[in-house]
Parts: sequence; structure tokens; C-alpha cells
Amino acid sequence: QKEVEQNSGPLSVPEGAIASLNCTYSDRGSQSFFWYRQYSGKSPELIMFIYSNGDKEDGRFTAQLNKASQYVSLLIRDSQPSDSATYLCAVNMFSSGGGADGLTFGKGTHLIIQP
Amino acid sequence: DGGITQSPKYLFRKEGQNVTLSCEQNLNHDAMYWYRQDPGQGLRLIYYSQIVNDFQKGDIAEGYSVSREKKESFPLTVTSAQKNPTAFYLCASSKFSGGSTDTQYFGPGTRLTVL
Repeated sequence: QKEVEQNSGPLSVPEGAIASLNCTYSDRGSQSFFWYRQYSGKSPELIMFIYSNGDKEDGRFTAQLNKASQYVSLLIRDSQPSDSATYLCAVNMFSSGGGADGLTFGKGTHLIIQP
Repeated sequence: DGGITQSPKYLFRKEGQNVTLSCEQNLNHDAMYWYRQDPGQGLRLIYYSQIVNDFQKGDIAEGYSVSREKKESFPLTVTSAQKNPTAFYLCASSKFSGGSTDTQYFGPGTRLTVL
């Protein structure tokens, strides 16, 4: 059973601070990991993906992956009120046939950036 | 202007009716996916298709049907057998290189309500 766990929050962070979002997953066969941002009533939009252990930076966002501990995190530096949204962690693993099947999503963490 | 379109944006269904949700993409992506999102929940995979004329069931396929006659189109039918169809339906697409890093991009979604 593939499971992805996230703290639902809300996580409240002051403007300008670092927001840290965490995600754990159950399947050691998981190959790649995605962070999506979803504003209320809208569809998810991709922030970044990571598939190698370590850190990956893109602007104010840093994704961190530790496959041995089965967790992935997202750091948002210099948090802005516009970062207030629900952040979804998603995991992809190869199907037994060798092709990629759909993503398994966590329930999301609701982030609030306080001005 | 490349992207994924879904229609309608809002859909109301009476008990016992079948309804079809449209999803079209002009990104030349091979793979397409349907997810369902309930309030406060993550996305759950209904069906996915990696190539034309082929599709696989996801985690919650019961009460749904799909077709993939064209690369650009992946319509979802919500049948009367789906007992709790009220939800936000999201279509996604990705390249299919056989790699686990194929990134999925989402359409704007269709909000279905059963009256």
C-alpha cells in the first residue's frame, strides 16, 4: 500500500521567515518526488521535483530528499503572503510493468504566511 | 498557447445520471490521468493512460469509465454506479519517457455536484 503522509496544519509562519514542510512516504521503491502548490478552489501547480538524495534549489524553494529515512521536505525562504496555500507532496514509483503510473498524493499542508 | 483544458468548470448531476467530463491537451503529451479530490483530502487516482487506445485503473476506478481514442483527449464518464461522485475532478498529462521523473501538469479542474 502506497502512502504519503503530511501534517495537515495549518502551519503559520511570519512573513520573511523560512517555512519548512515535511512529507514521509511508505514505499521504498518510490523513485521521484514532487511538490505542488494549490490555492483554494484551484488546481495544483508544480513547484519542483527531486529524485536524488540531497538538496535541490530553485529560487526561494529548496527540496530535500532522504531516501534512507523516507522523507522529503520543502523549504520556502523569505516567505511571502502569496505563498499562503496548501502544499501537496506527491510520490511516483514504477509500476511492475516498468512504466510510470500515477502519483500518490499526501493530503497536503495548509501554510499561512502572516504579514 | 499550450495547455490542458477541462470542461465544464462546474457540472451538476441528478441521481442516476451518467455525465462525461472533458479533458484536452495540446502539449503533445503521451500520458494522461484523472484524479479526484474531496475537501481536505489529497488527490486520488481514478484512471490513467500511457498511450492511445490503452488505459489502466487507478486506486478508485469503480463507478468511472474512460476512453483514449485520440492522443489529445481523455474523457471521463461518471456513471450512476459511483455512489458519491460530488468532488473536484482534475485531469493531468505528462510526457511518457518511461522514466519516473515524468512531471504531471494539471488542468483547471471540473467541480461536480450531485443534486
